[in-house]
Amino acid sequence: DVQLVQSGAEVKKPGESLRISCKGSGYKFTNYWVAWVRQKPGKGLEWVGVIYPDDSDRRYSPSFQGRVTISADKSNAYLQWNSLRASDSAIYYCARTLSSSWSWFFPFWGQGTLVSVSP
Amino acid sequence: DIQMTQSPSTLSASVGDRVTITCRASQTISTSLAWYQQKPGKVPSLLIYRASTLQSGVPSRFSGRGSGTEFTLTISSLQPEDFATYYCQYYNNGGAFGQGTTVDFK
Repeated sequence: DVQLVQSGAEVKKPGESLRISCKGSGYKFTNYWVAWVRQKPGKGLEWVGVIYPDDSDRRYSPSFQGRVTISADKSNAYLQWNSLRASDSAIYYCARTLSSSWSWFFPFWGQGTLVSVSP
Repeated sequence: DIQMTQSPSTLSASVGDRVTITCRASQTISTSLAWYQQKPGKVPSLLIYRASTLQSGVPSRFSGRGSGTEFTLTISSLQPEDFATYYCQYYNNGGAFGQGTTVDFK
């Protein structure tokens, strides 16, 4: 079975750096796009960006370009911040595509990682 | 950038009702449109992709239509477990979500 298991909740201060992870199993991790999706408390879903682990081809939403970095290795995808802001507080989901095509919709989701940024 | 707009934002309905949610794209997207359901505190769940293809395991009371810029998600007979928030998403070389439509009890 396809599984995406994300790292645990984080509590950080503004200005700190952070990397959260998403470990895929039950399939060949490098052959499917993995995306990150943000959800602020009580708000909707926001597409952060996506990466193809095999060659690290990646795309970012304009709203997140320059604020975060998406990376991957053979079995994990990562979402990284160099300097957190309070407005980055949210649940971050990773999600996997159905196929290796450029159709970035997601039948498979991680459980979410809660990031809290507060002074 | 392609923007996705859903209407209504909230929809009040009763069990057994036929419910339709609309999603509009700011430019034509062919049929590159997915629908998700999210219940409070839960992970989003894919319902439909390619505008009208039902994801495996999703009940047949859910259906999707549309192409170009206008799309609909219809629940033919609302069940208690369908009270949730629904999101559309454009996905071809992009990934914008609509703002969501919450279906609650009338």
